[in-house]
Amino acid sequence: NAGVMQNPRHLVRRRGQEARLRCSPMKGHSHVYWYRQLPEEGLKFMVYLQKENIIDESGMPKERFSAEFPKEGPSILRIQQVVRGDSAAYFCASSPSGVGNEKLFFGSGTQLSVL
Amino acid sequence: AQRVTQPEKLLSVFKGAPVELKCNYSYSGSPELFWYVQYSRQRLQLLLRHISRESIKGFTADLNKGETSFHLKKPFAQEEDSAMYYCARGGSNYKLTFGKGTLLTVNP
Repeated sequence: NAGVMQNPRHLVRRRGQEARLRCSPMKGHSHVYWYRQLPEEGLKFMVYLQKENIIDESGMPKERFSAEFPKEGPSILRIQQVVRGDSAAYFCASSPSGVGNEKLFFGSGTQLSVL
Repeated sequence: AQRVTQPEKLLSVFKGAPVELKCNYSYSGSPELFWYVQYSRQRLQLLLRHISRESIKGFTADLNKGETSFHLKKPFAQEEDSAMYYCARGGSNYKLTFGKGTLLTVNP
């Protein structure tokens, strides 16, 4: 089991472009969580998804950010019209059942740099 | 809002010395507390959680509700313990609130 796979590891975008971050959960896991880590900060919850459903997106900025977890394929975190403040490390985590406080398995993260 | 405070951004000790990484949380309900660790060039991974009352790699952490603390301790630090340590709290749901992390360096 390769664990949670995120790609790309590094993504460079110019202001106004779109960023797409991908996350494949561990085999057998159907619950995916996205966290963002700004410089000098802790990880902050963004969104929780199950297959084809957004369960909780309370941590997502109201505009430009969206997430999906289709029936087939990886979960995608999409940032439209990126700005410099979007520069951060984006981590994906997965768990098998989504029970509260279950152990999360994290990916290696995607470092987004906006020029 | 839930808060997790790790007052030390950096902590440096010598090999064999005791180490304590501090973590305080805002009181609310019945918290679940965790320590996550990220070794150099590796993924963030769970080190231990208070409900398990376990010792992992010689580390222990005791939940002190009176002081709202969950400090991570190890009596004799090893060089391989050098890493970034994050304290996190859960609650009645799946969201974790992380502290800003403490970078532990264990010098030879």
